[in-house]
Amino acid sequence: GAVVSQHPSRVICKSGTSVKIECRSLDFQATTMFWYRQFPKQSLMLMATSNEGSKATYEQGVEKDKFLINHASLTLSTLTVTSAHPEDSSFYICSAVQGGNEQFFGPGTRLTVL
Amino acid sequence: SQKIEQNSEALNIQEGKTATLTCNYTNYSPAYLQWYRQDPGRGPVFLLLIRENEKEKRKERLKVTFDTTLKQSLFHITASQPADSATYLCALAPGSGYSTLTFGKGTMLLVSP
Repeated sequence: GAVVSQHPSRVICKSGTSVKIECRSLDFQATTMFWYRQFPKQSLMLMATSNEGSKATYEQGVEKDKFLINHASLTLSTLTVTSAHPEDSSFYICSAVQGGNEQFFGPGTRLTVL
Repeated sequence: SQKIEQNSEALNIQEGKTATLTCNYTNYSPAYLQWYRQDPGRGPVFLLLIRENEKEKRKERLKVTFDTTLKQSLFHITASQPADSATYLCALAPGSGYSTLTFGKGTMLLVSP
């Protein structure tokens, strides 16, 4: 149980385009999902907390107009990187909370912006 | 500001030995601490959670200690195997009712046959 999937696993796009990443909890309902970004050899940095049916809460320094988060259902949250630039290239990881304190992470999405 | 430190250098050990990884933190009073395993190009996988009022937690070959006075957690893998080779992350949470985690950079463990 407690499986989280992400799609796509890898994406390459041109600078200026938008990219959507999906995060799904496959066998449980998640009222809260988290979006992280991880640069090589760095720690996971929390970008935003996504709550079903309400606006996401963004961490300091994360542009909410650039990283659009939609948590439309209890099993799906999406992150859209708008007008992506090479500096947005990173490993994006989502996680979901089932009910306790542990977070279950997706496999991650590698974004490369050319 | 809050700081979580894990050994940045990789830990190399021989199969069968016990691996010990360290997580130190400053300017933080976590309600609980978690350890995760992360393989290259993959998301973290939850291993163990220990609360501030717990000294030690065990799960199969894994053992975690939590010393809130020293502000330190130790993560042990006994009878290590090459399959244990991965990066291990510690993560701290500020309160029991909310799950926001702050991660360390992780320590890479390499177990040689």
